[in-house]
Amino acid sequence: KNEVEQSPQNLTAQEGEFITINCSYSVGISALHWLQQHPGGGIVSLFMLSSGKKKHGRLIATINIQEKHSSLHITASHPRDSAVYICAVRSSGGQFYFGTGTSLTVIP
Amino acid sequence: KAGVTQTPRYLIKTRGQQVTLSCSPISGHRSVSWYQQTPGQGLQFLFEYFSETQRNKGNFPGRFSGRQFSNSRSEMNVSTLELGDSALYLCASSWLAHTGELFFGEGSRLTVL
Repeated sequence: KNEVEQSPQNLTAQEGEFITINCSYSVGISALHWLQQHPGGGIVSLFMLSSGKKKHGRLIATINIQEKHSSLHITASHPRDSAVYICAVRSSGGQFYFGTGTSLTVIP
Repeated sequence: KAGVTQTPRYLIKTRGQQVTLSCSPISGHRSVSWYQQTPGQGLQFLFEYFSETQRNKGNFPGRFSGRQFSNSRSEMNVSTLELGDSALYLCASSWLAHTGELFFGEGSRLTVL
């Protein structure tokens, strides 16, 4: 049983498209993280959420605690957004659980 | 401000050996967490240290251990290496445990032959 489920697993978009990646989780959480991983391994934290909505440039992240669901949106996608996006939750007990990642390719 | 530094970046070991990996957090960060990433299992949580104390531990065998020093630098050790331990080992630091944003290092890529 996976504590964190992400969808879609793979996503191909044309440059400029609006993109949504979804994350559902089954445990009580203290925080949810959206991470970005480029080929080569480096991971960058995009957002840390415990409620509501956050925006950074073209990226928006939302979380619904009651429904145990979060979404990551990319507006006006660009080829440099091509990466793997990973949803991670820190449970109330302090454990980390990770989704399997969404591989995004943005075509010029 | 320097980022999270992991050493070594790449290493090759043989089965049965042991390995020690190092993580230097961002200056002022007191929490260090460790993760294993493999193509089959994805990212998995190993353990977390805060102020030299292990605060949380993932579901890994006792061959995996770690510690944190008074300057917040952390090491993890894997003893009696198995082929399945081949992975990218990542550490992340944060200002606070539980609610802190995570800053990741580039990782240490371990190959076990």
